[in-house]
Amino acid sequence: DGGITQSPKYLFRKEGQNVTLSCEQNLNHDAMYWYRQDPGQGLRLIYYSQIVNDFQKGDIAEGYSVSREKKESFPLTVTSAQKNPTAFYLCASKDTFYGYTFGSGTRLTVV
Amino acid sequence: QKEVEQDPGPLSVPEGAIVSLNCTYSNSAFQYFMWYRQYSRKGPELLMYTYSSGNKEDGRFTAQVDKSSKYISLFIRDSQPSDSATYLCAMSPNTGNQFYFGTGTSLTVIP
Repeated sequence: DGGITQSPKYLFRKEGQNVTLSCEQNLNHDAMYWYRQDPGQGLRLIYYSQIVNDFQKGDIAEGYSVSREKKESFPLTVTSAQKNPTAFYLCASKDTFYGYTFGSGTRLTVV
Repeated sequence: QKEVEQDPGPLSVPEGAIVSLNCTYSNSAFQYFMWYRQYSRKGPELLMYTYSSGNKEDGRFTAQVDKSSKYISLFIRDSQPSDSATYLCAMSPNTGNQFYFGTGTSLTVIP
């Protein structure tokens, strides 16, 4: 079945540590997105990529980095510069005609 | 002012009730409108996707767009406990751009 796979489902980060969230899709979509979801704030765009080897900052990119070396993969690194990383992270890919397909999310907690 | 405003609720209704969920927006260029349903600790899934003004029906769900008022609605008829979730609206000027999301409305349908 086509879809988006995010891993891990739960992730714990120590202070000062970088962590990487995985996102893989087999839908053959060109565009991929990372959103952060906090209670009462909806979905906020972190980074997006319309094509391989190219990506753009979203509204809250500070403290995050991404790469897009393959069409299928769009990993997100939460760096130590992100001071409040505890949140639910959603990866999505988008088809021009049928909207977003989201992964099941990664819940990141700082310990 | 946010691009998209959505009442966060929570909204609680008895089983069988008609539910009305709403979003308002400020950008008159928005033409594409989506409704997503998100169960707890899961990624959002697309419910309805409409273009411009008018109504679209799919089973118990009806999406309505009033561009003159910059107002969109999602109606759920004969609501079921399985409809208990958070509903997010999203919209964009065109399908190639990112979509702007509302904060989501939490709905509980009581058996």
